[in-house]
Amino acid sequence: KAGVTQTPRYLIKTRGQQVTLSCSPISGHRSVSWYQQTPGQGLQFLFEYFSETQRNKGNFPGRFSGRQFSNSRSEMNVSTLELGDSALYLCASSPTSSGGYTFGSGTRLTVV
Amino acid sequence: ELKVEQNPLFLSMQEGKNYTIYCNYSTTSDRLYWYRQDPGKSLESLFVLLSNGAVKQEGRLMASLDTKARLSTLHITAAVHDLSATYFCAVDMRGNQFYFGTGTSLTVIP
Repeated sequence: KAGVTQTPRYLIKTRGQQVTLSCSPISGHRSVSWYQQTPGQGLQFLFEYFSETQRNKGNFPGRFSGRQFSNSRSEMNVSTLELGDSALYLCASSPTSSGGYTFGSGTRLTVV
Repeated sequence: ELKVEQNPLFLSMQEGKNYTIYCNYSTTSDRLYWYRQDPGKSLESLFVLLSNGAVKQEGRLMASLDTKARLSTLHITAAVHDLSATYFCAVDMRGNQFYFGTGTSLTVIP
């Protein structure tokens, strides 16, 4: 059974650029969430999508956005990158609107 | 805002010893999860605790939940080197919106 797939695994961007990260959930999972992990702030919730609708959003600036497609695949976009956006971005999927996640391997974003 | 505190933050223990990691949270919730993270890797689900008094065990790890005390524990029995990792608890407040603890970095010394 395929797990949660995130692409790309590693990314280096320059300040001011924008970036799009992709997440393919486990087949049949309709809920997809995104988390940012940094050494200083730990794991922080970005947003959660269920059946193409954003249900919850964390406390991040509007530069962070996301969407979910009809096949449950999700993308997150960060515009006008800042050095502080360097982090491991984790996507997770769940079969229901609650009940715990399976996490992907993450995308490590470095902003220089 | 919900706060989730873990202690200790760092734990160095000898093989064969027992220890407990604590997870306290500030707002009522009956959904708590434990994850393991190896360096440079993603999060691996360990336990799902969905009610007061829930106790789950897998190998040398046992997790429990006391929703009245807003406390979960992860007990390690007879530690082995393979258990070295960072352990996170996470509280689910709104259905798939997790608040994670700070993590406990565990090192098991031979």
